[in-house]
Amino acid sequence: DTGVSQDPRHKITKRGQNVTFRCDPISEHNRLYWYRQTLGQGPEFLTYFQNEAQLEKSRLLSDRFSAERPKGSFSTLEIQRTEQGDSAMYLCASSFSPGYTFGSGTRLTVV
Amino acid sequence: ILNVEQSPQSLHVQEGDSTNFTCSFPSSNFYALHWYRWETAKSPEALFVMTLNGDEKKKGRISATLNTKEGYSYLYIKGSQPEDSATYLCAFIPRSGGGADGLTFGKGTHLIIQP
Repeated sequence: DTGVSQDPRHKITKRGQNVTFRCDPISEHNRLYWYRQTLGQGPEFLTYFQNEAQLEKSRLLSDRFSAERPKGSFSTLEIQRTEQGDSAMYLCASSFSPGYTFGSGTRLTVV
Repeated sequence: ILNVEQSPQSLHVQEGDSTNFTCSFPSSNFYALHWYRWETAKSPEALFVMTLNGDEKKKGRISATLNTKEGYSYLYIKGSQPEDSATYLCAFIPRSGGGADGLTFGKGTHLIIQP
């Protein structure tokens, strides 16, 4: 197991388009988290899964955002009708306890 | 809203010098504090998970201390090397979520080591 993988590394999309990112966690980690980092800020919590159940969603996660983790394995984060304000680094992390292992992130640019 | 502050925002240090920076967090409802190092184009790398007041942890030339009563943690780097250049993030977990809540990050300290 080589750690947490995220795909794609970079995504440029036009405003109004839908995008989907994928995260493959460390296989024995039951917890999976999505974070978003914008310029000059620390990463901000978006949502959290324990196995396949989505247990918490931040108020930052508008109804244009949806995340899934079918069968408690990989996770996808979809953003519908992208806006320029969605441009950010999207980080995925998995955890068994107590530490977190992060992926390298997906850099989204909305033009 | 949890307030996690890091200072300074950026720091230029001469190679070989030692340095330190601060993370402050809510002193009530403490569960854990994490430190990460994040180099450009790489994943944030876990440095320390700190849970007990008075904790001191060390990893090579990097060490950290924790004061939960006053709500701060210090990260120290001894004998800075160019490879230490990175953004150092601290992240707080409150007790209310039993540790399952997401991390609340500070904005980070951007460290540049000058040869």
